[in-house]
This record gives sequence, C-alpha cells and structure tokens, in this order.
Amino acid sequence: AQSVTQLGSHVSVSEGALVLLRCNYSSSVPPYLFWYVQYPNQGLQLLLKYTSAATLVKGINGFEAEFKKSETSFHLTKPSAHMSDAAEYFCAVSGRSYNTDKLIFGTGTRLQVFP
Amino acid sequence: NAGVTQTPKFQVLKTGQSMTLQCAQDMNHNSMYWYRQDPGMGLRLIYYSASEGTTDKGEVPNGYNVSRLNKREFSLRLESAAPSQTSVYFCASNVHWAEPSNYGYTFGSGTRLTVV
Repeated sequence: AQSVTQLGSHVSVSEGALVLLRCNYSSSVPPYLFWYVQYPNQGLQLLLKYTSAATLVKGINGFEAEFKKSETSFHLTKPSAHMSDAAEYFCAVSGRSYNTDKLIFGTGTRLQVFP
Repeated sequence: NAGVTQTPKFQVLKTGQSMTLQCAQDMNHNSMYWYRQDPGMGLRLIYYSASEGTTDKGEVPNGYNVSRLNKREFSLRLESAAPSQTSVYFCASNVHWAEPSNYGYTFGSGTRLTVV
C-alpha cells in the first residue's frame, strides 16, 4: 500500500523567496511520485513526475523536486516565488504494476505568496 | 483538444435523488479513475478501472457505483444522494503502468455536486 504525507497545510512566502513544500511517501513497492497544482476552482495540473532513475526532476513554472529514497521524500522547490504561484499543491504516489497504479494523494499544501 | 471531459460541471440534488456523472477520454488510455475532493482531505479514490471491463473499489466507495462502458467512458452513479456526498468529483485517466515514459494522470475539470 502507498501513502503520502504533506507537512504543513499552509505555507507562506514572500515574493522572490525560496519555496519548499514537503512530501514524504510510504510505499511497499518502487513508487512513481507526482506533484500537482490546483488553482482556485480549477482542475489539477501536473507539475512534475518521478518515474525513472533520474532523481532530480524538473517541472513546469520553474519547479523541481528531488527523489530521496533514503529519506522517503520528494520535496518540491522553486528558487524564487512569484505571485502567480499561489495555489494548492498536492503530492501523490502510485505503484508501478497492475493494480498498484492507483494514484494516492496527500492532503495538500496551500501556498500563499506575499508581495 | 484531447483530454478528459466530465459532465455536468455543476449539479444540485435533493437528498435521495439519483444521478450519473459522465466521464470520457480520447487519449486511448487504459486506466480510468473517480476521485472526490473535500477541503483538507485532498483527493480520495472512489473507484477505478484498470482496463475495459474491470472495476475495483478505492478508498471511499460506499454510496457509489461505476460502469466502464467502453475504453473511452467511465461513469459514476449516486443511487440515493446524501448530504455527505457534497463534494467536487474528478475523473482521471492514465496510460498503462508499463509505459513509464508516458506515465501520468490526466484530470477532467471536475463536477461540483451539492446535495441538499
């Protein structure tokens, strides 16, 4: 079984500051890992995904995440926050085989960006 | 545009009424999923279908039924709606798990359901 824990339901940063959103996963099988973003009253948009041996994954809008197996973590970072980054972010995990490929979400982190 | 289409976008039901949420994808994906999103709880899996002709329960299946009509379509039915089913419902699809280079879920835009 897989699960995801997102530390901090709300994160606030100043424009131009580093963004760090934390995600730890639990999986009995090698995982696929994802970060999604959701803007108010919209659907989910894929930011980035880990599905291969490359542990540092670059996504859209300047975001990146690093898969650390020893720490069971997949934290999302962006060097410099922009006002348009304000949204809710979801970390998710799935397995890599039939019947384990269900996507399991964390409870989300709402990012606020202050001018 | 290719993607996942959900209908309707908004719906208000009275307690005890039934309705079906429709979902269709045109990306030739094998797997399809229904999630519900509630504040502070993230998205929780209701049902999924790994391939045409198969369906399985997810984390919160009670009060729901599904039908994988064909490869494109996966519907979610509420037989007797309850206020606890007030939520935003998302349908998603995915390529086969054995295709990691293309692996990634595509979500519909959601159905906002209110049960009064």
